[in-house]
Amino acid sequence: SQQGEEDPQALSIQEGENATMNCSYKTSINNLQWYRQNSGRGLVHLILIRSNEREKHSGRLRVTLDTSKKSSSLLITASRAADTASYFCAYSGSARQLTFGSGTQLTVLP
Amino acid sequence: DAGVIQSPRHEVTEMGQEVTLRCKPISGHDYLFWYRQTMMRGLELLIYFNNNVPIDDSGMPEDRFSAKMPNASFSTLKIQPSEPRDSAVYFCASSKRGQETQYFGPGTRLLVL
Repeated sequence: SQQGEEDPQALSIQEGENATMNCSYKTSINNLQWYRQNSGRGLVHLILIRSNEREKHSGRLRVTLDTSKKSSSLLITASRAADTASYFCAYSGSARQLTFGSGTQLTVLP
Repeated sequence: DAGVIQSPRHEVTEMGQEVTLRCKPISGHDYLFWYRQTMMRGLELLIYFNNNVPIDDSGMPEDRFSAKMPNASFSTLKIQPSEPRDSAVYFCASSKRGQETQYFGPGTRLLVL
């Protein structure tokens, strides 16, 4: 499967700052999701945005989707040390399976 | 709910040995997915089932890999014979019909020497 691209690959910020991660994909999609993975753990679903939506919020998370550019961004506001993790975008087209991006490793320094 | 359960959590084996990974999906979920995660290739879908039936196994790397789902609460991923390049973390995930969110297990870290 064509893996999505994410940038940056790694991001290091101070606690309280905002973190922005970007995802690009290559196919038509039904929805795009963001997952988080703490070191040595499984992935945890954060938020889903449908192809007919442009922006979605959930707590300190804001996701945007631009289907014309085939890209999405995840913004985490007022970051905390506990937000340190890897973040993956994942998208699906007509079929059920997800294609995952390459991930962004976020480090939030206390 | 206990979430997706995988066993073993860690497996170390020698090249040529058979490896069996196990997964118990969340009760009531209709879909089960097997993924492999490596530094080089990221997270790859190997196979997924719908109502215990394999739907897409195009991600299974070779004939050495096989997966079964004999009932709604159990699935296995078998590698026979195992090779060092199979070393990875293998995740099982499940989802419910009508919902796109996937729920991941903690993974099995496999090391083939």
